[in-house]
Amino acid sequence: GNSVTQMEGPVTLSEEAFLTINCTYTATGYPSLFWYVQYPGEGLQLLLKATKADDKGSNKGFEATYRKETTSFHLEKGSVQVSDSAVYFCALRGTAGANSKLTFGKGITLSVRP
Amino acid sequence: GAGVSQSPSNKVTEKGKDVELRCDPISGHTALYWYRQSLGQGLEFLIYFQGNSAPDKSGLPSDRFSAERTGGSVSTLTIQRTQQEDSAVYLCASSSTGQGSTQNWAPYEQYFGPGTRLTVT
Repeated sequence: GNSVTQMEGPVTLSEEAFLTINCTYTATGYPSLFWYVQYPGEGLQLLLKATKADDKGSNKGFEATYRKETTSFHLEKGSVQVSDSAVYFCALRGTAGANSKLTFGKGITLSVRP
Repeated sequence: GAGVSQSPSNKVTEKGKDVELRCDPISGHTALYWYRQSLGQGLEFLIYFQGNSAPDKSGLPSDRFSAERTGGSVSTLTIQRTQQEDSAVYLCASSSTGQGSTQNWAPYEQYFGPGTRLTVT
């Protein structure tokens, strides 16, 4: 079945540091890939997505590129802010249909200190 | 417009009791999903509704768990004879099929509610 593996956390960075959060997946065909974010006290919300190989999703300074050859979708940001402190989840949606379920990684907590 | 709402926001129950969790999806969204977020297990899919039918209920962990959806809108997740391992945050999400999508809601994107935190003592 489908699965998503995220790097172990938590991650603590200083403000303006470079961020990389690794995500790899296992799936048949060409799944759609997502990063979701959960800010403290808030619900889960979509950060960015990519639906085909070599697509780059971007939002709020975050980027991730769909790499079919390495089955990866690593999240990057050039300069993190304290407000980026949150839990980040990598997810995939399989090829069963556009309304099929999401499979999530375990999530990683990012803390950014001033 | 209003997003996905869930009630109650918190529920504490004694082991062995039954609980019902409610989800109100975004108006007009035909797809509805239940997920569970627990320490150690991360975010797990439970069940998916398209309209009132459930084409994928593969994530329900045992026959103590059931869900229904009526009128293509509100859904209720029921857990019978609760156990301590059922303690988790239960999340509901909804999405549209892309036909006649309401403004501000992207088609096929799953929008999540705030969750119900269930604690079984």
